[in-house]
Amino acid sequence: GQNIDQPTEMTATEGAIVQINCTYQTSGFNGLFWYQQHAGEAPTFLSYNVLDGLEEKGRFSSFLSRSKGYSYLLLKELQMKDSASYLCAVRDRWQAGTALIFGKGTTLSVSS
Amino acid sequence: DTAVSQTPKYLVTQMGNDKSIKCEQNLGHDTMYWYKQDSKKFLKIMFSYNNKELIINETVPNRFSPKSPDKAHLNLHINSLELGDSAVYFCASSQATPPPTGELFFGEGSRLTVL
Repeated sequence: GQNIDQPTEMTATEGAIVQINCTYQTSGFNGLFWYQQHAGEAPTFLSYNVLDGLEEKGRFSSFLSRSKGYSYLLLKELQMKDSASYLCAVRDRWQAGTALIFGKGTTLSVSS
Repeated sequence: DTAVSQTPKYLVTQMGNDKSIKCEQNLGHDTMYWYKQDSKKFLKIMFSYNNKELIINETVPNRFSPKSPDKAHLNLHINSLELGDSAVYFCASSQATPPPTGELFFGEGSRLTVL
C-alpha cells in the first residue's frame, strides 16, 4: 500500500529553524512535493524533488533521499506567517491523470 | 485572475439532499482532480480526469458523480447526502505533459456541511 508519514504537530519560535520530516513507502516514485496550507485556505505549492539532494528556495529548502524514502522541509528565519500545515505528497508514477498522494500534514505553530 | 475557481465556497444542506460543486481552471491544464479534506485535514484523492477522460476513481460511493464537459471544467454532483460527506472539497489542476514538475494548483475549496 501507499504510506506517507509526517509528525502531526511542531512548535517553534520566531527567527528559529525548523525541520519537518516525511517518510514514504509507495509502489513507485516520480517526485516528492511539499505544500503549505494556512487555515481555511487552499494548499499552495512550495517545492519539488525528484532527484536526491537539496533544493533551496529562499528561506525554504527541501531534501530528498530516494534510497531511504525520506524527505525533509527546512524552514529558516521563521516568521509568524509560517504558522500553517505543511503537507508532504508523493507522485508514484508519471502518467496523465496521476494524483498526488498526501500525508496527513504537520501543523506548525510559530510563537514570538 | 483566479487560476482554479470553485463554486459555491460554502454549502449547508440537509441529509438526503442532492448538491453540486463546480470547478473551472484558466491555466490551460489538461488534468483536473477532486480531493476531499476531512476534519483531520487529510487530503484524499477522489477522482482525476485527463482531457475529459476519467483516469482515477478511488473507492468513492457511487453517490458521487464527477462530470467534465471540457478540459477546463470538472463538476462534482453528490446524491443523497450523508453526515459523513461533511468536508472541504478541493478541485485542482495540473499539466500532464513534461517537462514541468506537474504540481497541482488548488481551488479555494468548497466547505460542505450536512445537517
